[in-house]
Amino acid sequence: AQKITQTQPGMFVQEKEAVTLDCTYDTSDPSYGLFWYKQPSSGEMIFLIYQGSYDQQNATEGRYSLNFQKARKSANLVISASQLGDSAMYFCAMRDGNAGNNRKLIWGLGTSLAVNP
Amino acid sequence: NAGVTQTPKFRILKIGQSMTLQCTQDMNHNYMYWYRQDPGMGLKLIYYSVGAGITDKGEVPNGYNVSRSTTEDFPLRLELAAPSQTSVYFCASRNAGGGEQYFGPGTRLTVT
Repeated sequence: AQKITQTQPGMFVQEKEAVTLDCTYDTSDPSYGLFWYKQPSSGEMIFLIYQGSYDQQNATEGRYSLNFQKARKSANLVISASQLGDSAMYFCAMRDGNAGNNRKLIWGLGTSLAVNP
Repeated sequence: NAGVTQTPKFRILKIGQSMTLQCTQDMNHNYMYWYRQDPGMGLKLIYYSVGAGITDKGEVPNGYNVSRSTTEDFPLRLELAAPSQTSVYFCASRNAGGGEQYFGPGTRLTVT
């Protein structure tokens, strides 16, 4: 069955340092997509970055990059030069390719990141 | 372009009352979703729709109903509210070509 695992309930990082948030996934479908979302304390869900299973390069979006290791089934989010505003919950999600047109997202439980000044 | 809008932002219901959470998107997206997020937890899919007139159950549909009469609107109906339905409800949408889901700001519902 498709599954997303985020093993770090909470993480701390010093401002201006880099941090890696872990995400492992399980799927039998060769076509899938992986997403990271940020949820600050205000509650909204903000899309950060996407990686497709056939993408040759690791995705990058500004200070966010995705360390995609297909053989290990991991899609870790790397945030470089952390800022105080990066303090938030971070969710990893996977598009369920097996569901055909339904294309639901399967969500991890999230990692709470605190950036210390 | 407002994106995904949800009303109300907050609501307190008494046990047994009913209400409808409204969701509207102006991006002409075919796919729409309703999630609930309990405190400190991730998102659980309640219902989703792949187009007007087509809806299907997610992981936790019991106690809820949806309809999709137009592309823009995807209301979520709570019948006979229970304390277990206290949660934050998010509506999301995306286009049929794939890509990320766009989320509304959420509705914080308390049932007492």
